[in-house]
Amino acid sequence: SYELTQTPSVSVSPGQTASITCSGDKLGDKYACWYQQKPGQSPVLVIYEDFKRPSGIPERFSGSNSGNTATLTISGTQPMDEADYYCQASDSSPYVVFGGGTKLTVL
Amino acid sequence: QLQLQESGPGLVKPSETLSLTCTVSGDSISSTSQYWAWIRQPPGKGLEWIGSIYYSGSTYYNVSLKSRVTISGDTPKNQFSLKLSSVTAADTAVYYCARQSDYGGNPSGWFDPWGQGTLVTVSS
Repeated sequence: SYELTQTPSVSVSPGQTASITCSGDKLGDKYACWYQQKPGQSPVLVIYEDFKRPSGIPERFSGSNSGNTATLTISGTQPMDEADYYCQASDSSPYVVFGGGTKLTVL
Repeated sequence: QLQLQESGPGLVKPSETLSLTCTVSGDSISSTSQYWAWIRQPPGKGLEWIGSIYYSGSTYYNVSLKSRVTISGDTPKNQFSLKLSSVTAADTAVYYCARQSDYGGNPSGWFDPWGQGTLVTVSS
């Protein structure tokens, strides 16, 4: 079965750039999206179709996807960005696969 | 503004059937080219897609749960429902409903927005 691998945790200082990666076999051939989940809250879509931002998502969130790796980049990271981030791949089969999640700590 | 709200029992006994309903406001579940999905998250763990229902009524399930899952829609009430049979403690999770985009004719698109989620505990 298809699997997506994420680094369990990433730390970044406020104002710096955070990069969160998601790896899977030929992931670049699929579409990737990213969700932000803060404690006790529902996931929120922050990137879809590799790099597109839904309305209301700050410009500091960006995405890319090539080869076997999709990357979520947060430029000028703010304390409010501290959360769990999940990637998801879109494909014809299996339909939906989530990565295991990355805990972003801003300190 | 599209909103989704899960409802149902918070406690289910082992071997029984878990039943949840998602009420949709701000859009119609019969709108074309959209899926409506259930996703779950065990406490402290990651996300797992359970299945989706297309606006036409077609259903798609995670192969790992397929034998126990039924998703159905109620267009007049603008609701869709989840039934998960023969539950065990491993089914204890927060259950979310969400709208899912149609990607290439498959239920493989992104989920947006999500409901607030409802915790279902399986215990005797």
